[in-house]
Order: sequence, then structure tokens, then C-alpha cells
Amino acid sequence: SQTIHQWPATLVQPVGSPLSLECTVEGTSNPNLYWYRQAAGRGLQLLFYSVGIGQISSEVPQNLSASRPQDRQFILSSKKLLLSDSGFYLCAWSWTSLGTFFGQGTRLTVV
Amino acid sequence: DAKTTQPPSMDCAEGRAANLPCNHSTISGNEYVYWYRQIHSQGPQYIIHGLKNNETNEMASLIITEDRKSSTLILPHATLRDTAVYYCIVRETSGSRLTFGEGTQLTVNP
Repeated sequence: SQTIHQWPATLVQPVGSPLSLECTVEGTSNPNLYWYRQAAGRGLQLLFYSVGIGQISSEVPQNLSASRPQDRQFILSSKKLLLSDSGFYLCAWSWTSLGTFFGQGTRLTVV
Repeated sequence: DAKTTQPPSMDCAEGRAANLPCNHSTISGNEYVYWYRQIHSQGPQYIIHGLKNNETNEMASLIITEDRKSSTLILPHATLRDTAVYYCIVRETSGSRLTFGEGTQLTVNP
């Protein structure tokens, strides 16, 4: 069966510090991968999606970047965090006609 | 992807059926209806999806109208653990992303 791993679960980072969130998927090949963000009390916003290694599409301009160095690995990064980067970050995967499946999320607080 | 409209909130008594409506009047022929839910502080959970026919699984039933312009998610015996925000989304099977609206906050009361 397919599983998705996302870590860490919570993170507190100072303004200006770098960020690296990692997500890996097991049990499937060539999945579509996604990073979403949910600000407090708001809906989910798609940040990035990838249909293959090295292929990244950005949905909104922002202070973040994404990379896909391996088929089942998706990384969300920032060189310098802003206060507005605080939120709940979710990695997800999908494949053909299956639904989209989400990790448990990382709650990031920038202080 | 077609836009969906859902009521912002609903209440349901524990043990009763919860019927969550969704309007998607601009849905196109190759778009599926997906339902997800998000329990507080967790990632969204896939519930069910369908194209034309009604669907049922261990979690819920999905009723899609004949003209496909609306659908209803049915939780047959709601429990307190079903309290969550429920999202109705339409997209192509091969679509590369889900677009979440505001969803419906379902509160199951004891």
C-alpha cells in the first residue's frame, strides 16, 4: 500500500532562517506531488506541484521554492523565512484516477 | 476546474445521517466529483469520488444528480469523530491539482 511521510510535525523558526521540509512517498512510482499551505482559519492553497523528477510548477509567487531530486521525494525550501510564512504545510500525492492523498502536515511558526 | 458551492456550516445529531450538499453547475463531462474532509490540525482525508453513478464505500455514499450539477455526500450514521470540514471538489481525472474551496464545517452533536 502507498504511504506518505512528512516531517517534522512541528517547527519553530526565527525570521530570516532557512527552511527545508521533506516529503517522501512509498509504494508507488511516478506520482504527482504537491505542496499545500493552510494559514490559520483559512482554506488550503496549492503552492507547488510536480509531475516528475525536476519538474516543478509554482502556483503563487512567494518566498518558497520546491525541488524533486528523486521520483518519490519532494522538498519545500526557503532561504530566509518571513513571518507570513507561518502556517500548516501539507504534502500530497496522486496517481491517475486515484484520489489525492495527504501527509499529516508540518505546523510552521516563524517567530 | 469547475467551481463548487457548499454551505459554510451544518449540524447533525450523533447517530443520524449527515447529508452534505454541493453545487457544481459548471461541471464538464470529463470532471469527477471528489469529497475530502479535514479534521482539525490534520491533513485532508480522501472520502469518495464519482463521475455519473452513485458511489458507496465504507465511509460514505455519494449521490450525483442526473444532470451532474449537484451532489450530496451522505454519512449514514454520523459520529462525533465525523466533525470536520468537508470539501467538495471537481476536477479531471488526469488533472494535476485539487483546488479547495471553503468547505462545510460539519459539527456532530451528542
